[in-house]
Amino acid sequence: DAGVIQSPRHEVTEMGQEVTLRCKPISGHDYLFWYRQTMMRGLELLIYFNNNVPIDDSGMPEDRFSAKMPNASFSTLKIQPSEPRDSAVYFCASSLNRGHHRETQYFGPGTRLLVL
Amino acid sequence: AQTVTQSQPEMSVQEAETVTLSCTYDTSENNYYLFWYKQPPSRQMILVIRQEAYKQQNATENRFSVNFQKAAKSFSLKISDSQLGDTAMYFCAFMTAYSGGYQKVTFGTGTKLQVIP
Repeated sequence: DAGVIQSPRHEVTEMGQEVTLRCKPISGHDYLFWYRQTMMRGLELLIYFNNNVPIDDSGMPEDRFSAKMPNASFSTLKIQPSEPRDSAVYFCASSLNRGHHRETQYFGPGTRLLVL
Repeated sequence: AQTVTQSQPEMSVQEAETVTLSCTYDTSENNYYLFWYKQPPSRQMILVIRQEAYKQQNATENRFSVNFQKAAKSFSLKISDSQLGDTAMYFCAFMTAYSGGYQKVTFGTGTKLQVIP
């Protein structure tokens, strides 16, 4: 199993630009999560999906952030327009709601975003 | 709302020694899950161990074990025979086991562990 795949691993962009982060969950997992990690705020849940449907987006900081999951194997997190305070590591995680390891979230390697 | 507290921002341990990282949580729920995740300098989040609240037996994974005290709402992680590769940030996490699969996880602020050669 390849694990959760995220791309790009690093992104440097200028303020005002659109940024799109991508995630491929573990095959067969029915939950997908987007997290943001910063020194100041720690690890924050932004949004999560169940069977491709957004369930809780209360952690999305503002309208500049949007997330989609068009199918079971792909999700995007978009920031438009980006701001320097969006600089962080963004993690995608997935989990399976059944079986021995149900409710255990497996994380991708993260995308390190720097907005100049 | 649930809260997770890790009161030790940083710790160090000599290689081959044993270290215990503390975690307390606050919840009114009876059924839940607890996790320890490890984040090495690579920033990857790696699951170390998980515990179901309904299980009295403490979870163990090789050199890693937990001391789960449900009444005290305490969930400490013990690392035995510490290795240099254990150097990382360790996060304690909590998730309520709602029926229907609601899966919001609350993370602690982390403990930075340094294993000294």
